[in-house]
Amino acid sequence: KNEVEQSPQNLTAQEGEFITINCSYSVGISALHWLQQHPGGGIVSLFMLSSGKKKHGRLIATINIQEKHSSLHITASHPRDSAVYICAVRLGDTGNQFYFGTGTSLTVIP
Amino acid sequence: DSGVTQTPKHLITATGQRVTLRCSPRSGDLSVYWYQQSLDQGLQFLIQYYNGEERAKGNILERFSAQQFPDLHSELNLSSLELGDSALYFCASSEGDRPIEAFFGQGTRLTVV
Repeated sequence: KNEVEQSPQNLTAQEGEFITINCSYSVGISALHWLQQHPGGGIVSLFMLSSGKKKHGRLIATINIQEKHSSLHITASHPRDSAVYICAVRLGDTGNQFYFGTGTSLTVIP
Repeated sequence: DSGVTQTPKHLITATGQRVTLRCSPRSGDLSVYWYQQSLDQGLQFLIQYYNGEERAKGNILERFSAQQFPDLHSELNLSSLELGDSALYFCASSEGDRPIEAFFGQGTRLTVV
């Protein structure tokens, strides 16, 4: 069983829609990261969270430590948001390793 | 541009061969992390080096090894290659020994034929 589960696996949205991607994890973590992987393969780190909520432009990430759950929201989605979004957790006991979800493939249609 | 440089971008080689992937971290970053992304396994942590020393080890095969040099660049050596080793190999760097904020390279796509 994967320590990190993401949903949905695939998501298609119309331009302008509000999008939510979910991440659940089963172990204690010290931090959670949201990553964006573009079609060419490059990975960009979007957020690092250990509590609460962070906002960057049209992206919002939240985490609920008690419920072991995080969400990534995209407001006013745009075709350039099309990418794979990956949730990665840093376990509390290891500290140095990321464990990754399988990713959510998002396609935003004009 | 994350500031992390990986070379080569693409590599095609035959089974049984050995290859070396190179990573130059962001200026000032002491930690280098290696990850493998294959179609069936997703992203997996392989190994971390901090200031020249191995700091953490993940799912790295015995056929694979890595090192970090005094100038902080790192190399991942993959030997006795198998078809299943075909994957994207990412390097990331961070300032400290914990990946509080990690910056990823563009990856090296390895194809074993």
